[in-house]
Amino acid sequence: GAVVSQHPSRVICKSGTSVKIECRSLDFQATTMFWYRQFPKKSLMLMATSNEGSKATYEQGVEKDKFLINHASLTLSTLTVTSAHPEDSSFYICSAARGPEQYFGPGTRLTVT
Amino acid sequence: AQSVTQLGSHVSVSEGALVLLRCNYSSSVPPYLFWYVQYPNQGLQLLLKYTSAATLVKGINGFEAEFKKSETSFHLTKPSAHMSDAAEYFCAVSVGNRDDKIIFGKGTRLHILP
Repeated sequence: GAVVSQHPSRVICKSGTSVKIECRSLDFQATTMFWYRQFPKKSLMLMATSNEGSKATYEQGVEKDKFLINHASLTLSTLTVTSAHPEDSSFYICSAARGPEQYFGPGTRLTVT
Repeated sequence: AQSVTQLGSHVSVSEGALVLLRCNYSSSVPPYLFWYVQYPNQGLQLLLKYTSAATLVKGINGFEAEFKKSETSFHLTKPSAHMSDAAEYFCAVSVGNRDDKIIFGKGTRLHILP
């Protein structure tokens, strides 16, 4: 149990376009999901906490207008990178909370050309 | 505020040798502590967790970690390294409340020498 999926696993987009990444908890309900960004050979940086039915809580320095988060249901959170630029290229990982534990998705590799 | 410090961004051990990855934490309240493993271009897999029960925690793939409050440490060990253990390892801390965020260390890349 406790499986989290992400879609797509890889995406390449042109500069200026928007990209949506989905995070789903497949076999449990998660009122809270988290979005992380990971730069090459670096640790995970928490971007925001996504709460079902309410606005996301963004970490300091993360542009909320650029990284739109919607927690539409107890099993789905989406991250939309708006007007993407090459510096937004990264590995994005989501997690879903169940009690004190988090279960991580497999990640999405975003490349902006 | 909580934080974790992983000593050594790279650790190399010979196949069959002891693996020791160091992690020290800082927390104003009793922490929950985690070790995760990440293989290239993949998400994170939980190896083990400490949640205020037994101080010696056994995880998957033969790994274990010991919570030492006096040393504020939670080092990860495995008696005998295997080639498949080569990966990035992250120590992490949370306060343990439901839905609380997890703070990650910078990670340690484990290299296994044949």
